[in-house]
Amino acid sequence: AQSVTQLGSHVSVSEGALVLLRCNYSSSVPPYLFWYVQYPNQGLQLLLKYTSAATLVKGINGFEAEFKKSETSFHLTKPSAHMSDAAEYFCAVRLNTNAGKSTFGDGTTLTVKP
Amino acid sequence: DTAVSQTPKYLVTQMGNDKSIKCEQNLGHDTMYWYKQDSKKFLKIMFSYNNKELIINETVPNRFSPKSPDKAHLNLHINSLELGDSAVYFCASSRNGGNRAGELFFGEGSRLTVL
Repeated sequence: AQSVTQLGSHVSVSEGALVLLRCNYSSSVPPYLFWYVQYPNQGLQLLLKYTSAATLVKGINGFEAEFKKSETSFHLTKPSAHMSDAAEYFCAVRLNTNAGKSTFGDGTTLTVKP
Repeated sequence: DTAVSQTPKYLVTQMGNDKSIKCEQNLGHDTMYWYKQDSKKFLKIMFSYNNKELIINETVPNRFSPKSPDKAHLNLHINSLELGDSAVYFCASSRNGGNRAGELFFGEGSRLTVL
């Protein structure tokens, strides 16, 4: 069984401030973890993923996430928010990278204030 | 060239009608999916096909019937549409091996409105 919980359905930051979006997972086996971003009226696109290699994962657009097994967390961060980061962010868990399913969290809406 | 393309992008129809959404991927992926995103933006998997074989069938009413004529295509047919079917339906695909295995590539979505 697998599930993810995203704490905070809405996060608001000022431009230039740190972005922190939280994700906790539950998995019966070592998981594969993903962050996706969805801009308005678009499909989701991959930001980054963890697949049991390095625990600190760097993605596109300056985002990174750290896998912490002891905390069952995979929080997404970016040191300095940009107006273009405003979007919906989804954390997802998968038990394998082959023909399995990805289970998504409920999403976090990130607002960036000027 | 769009990697995962869905048609139509918008669909407005009356309750009780039957409608189809089509999806095609040109990425050479082995697995294709249908996800439903509701008005609160929650994403739920509906179906998944691996090499034309149905491998995931979540608790979805049997009014929904997927069909995969080949590895590159996955269609969704919905019978007797209900108000609660209004949502955005996303098609996605993924590779089964290699360093990008498991990553989902999404289409732009098909927004279905049932009146």
